[in-house]
Amino acid sequence: KAGVTQTPRYLIKTRGQQVTLSCSPISGHRSVSWYQQTPGQGLQFLFEYFSETQRNKGNFPGRFSGRQFSNSRSEMNVSTLELGDSALYLCASRDASNEQFFGPGTRLTVL
Amino acid sequence: GQQVMQIPQYQHVQEGEDFTTYCNSSTTLSNIQWYKQRPGGHPVFLIQLVKSGEVKKQKRLTFQFGEAKKNSSLHITATQTTDVGTYFCAGPRVYNTDKLIFGTGTRLQVFP
Repeated sequence: KAGVTQTPRYLIKTRGQQVTLSCSPISGHRSVSWYQQTPGQGLQFLFEYFSETQRNKGNFPGRFSGRQFSNSRSEMNVSTLELGDSALYLCASRDASNEQFFGPGTRLTVL
Repeated sequence: GQQVMQIPQYQHVQEGEDFTTYCNSSTTLSNIQWYKQRPGGHPVFLIQLVKSGEVKKQKRLTFQFGEAKKNSSLHITATQTTDVGTYFCAGPRVYNTDKLIFGTGTRLQVFP
């Protein structure tokens, strides 16, 4: 099976812009979670989607949103970008087990 | 909110030395998972422990889950340069098993 894929891998934006990141889970996995990773804050949970519904949400402002499509692919959106949003955004999918399979991540730089 | 702390934050060892990272949660965990992230890479699942007091081994790696299901440890015997990376523990709370909370991580550097 192909692994989790994320696009784009790298992105440079300026403050105030918005960005959409995409994640394709492993075939058959219905749960997709998003994480933000920064050197200072570590791995922070953003949200989890299961069968097109947001099942869990982390402590991030409303500028961070996401959705999941019927084929389990997921997107996350960040509006009105701030410098502090620069991070590695990781997507992970899982099946009925708890093991999370991570994608390579999207490295977002906000200038 | 729930916090999962790991100590130490950094550890530098000589190749062949042992290494241990400790994971402590402020609340009871449903299970504990361990992940390894190589420099420039993404977290990769290593193992999951579910039972109180459980101990599992993977070659040179030994994982323990505390009796109260609030702490865990990962011990590496005779480290190798391939062990370099950041080790994260992660666990869902007992009452919200779908939300995984990651520990702060321990970065291991192994000198040859």
